[in-house]
Amino acid sequence: DAGVTQSPTHLIKTRGQQVTLRCSPKSGHDTVSWYQQALGQGPQFIFQYYEEEERQRGNFPDRFSGHQFPNYSSELNVNALLLGDSALYLCASSPTGIDSGNTIYFGEGSWLTVV
Amino acid sequence: SQQGEEDPQALSIQEGENATMNCSYKTSINNLQWYRQNSGRGLVHLILIRSNEREKHSGRLRVTLDTSKKSSSLLITASRAADTASYFCATWGTGAQKLVFGQGTRLTINP
Repeated sequence: DAGVTQSPTHLIKTRGQQVTLRCSPKSGHDTVSWYQQALGQGPQFIFQYYEEEERQRGNFPDRFSGHQFPNYSSELNVNALLLGDSALYLCASSPTGIDSGNTIYFGEGSWLTVV
Repeated sequence: SQQGEEDPQALSIQEGENATMNCSYKTSINNLQWYRQNSGRGLVHLILIRSNEREKHSGRLRVTLDTSKKSSSLLITASRAADTASYFCATWGTGAQKLVFGQGTRLTINP
């Protein structure tokens, strides 16, 4: 049973460019969330997708956008990259009924460096 | 913004000793989850404790939750070098759709 998978694992982008990160949730999970983790900090919630719609959003600018596909996989897009966007981007998945408090599983993350 | 605050920020102990990490939070919760993160890697789920539970065990891990004090603790017994990692508590708030993490405790186990 594959866990949460993310790609790419590492990438380097130039300031002002755009990036797309991808995530496949754990089998049987239909809810995907994205978190940003700066070096030395705890992860910060970006947004959550369920039934192909953004269900909740954290305190991130509109440069951060996402998408969920019918197979529950998800993409995170960041436009007009800033140096401060350099971070580990984590995808998390969970099954329906997350409101009741199910275990949330994370992928290995995508390391983004903006130069 | 971070809701959880872990204490201590860093902990260094000898192999075989017990390690205790504490977490405090600010709002009412449905559950609290502890994660481990090895350097530069993803988060590994350790244990989930619901708001109506006071203590849970999993192998060498023991988690307590005191909702009246809005605090939790993670105890790792008989520590091993492989336990060296950062440990995060994360709360799932009442009516929330997300986990809110603390800044973590960096645990070092010395051989």
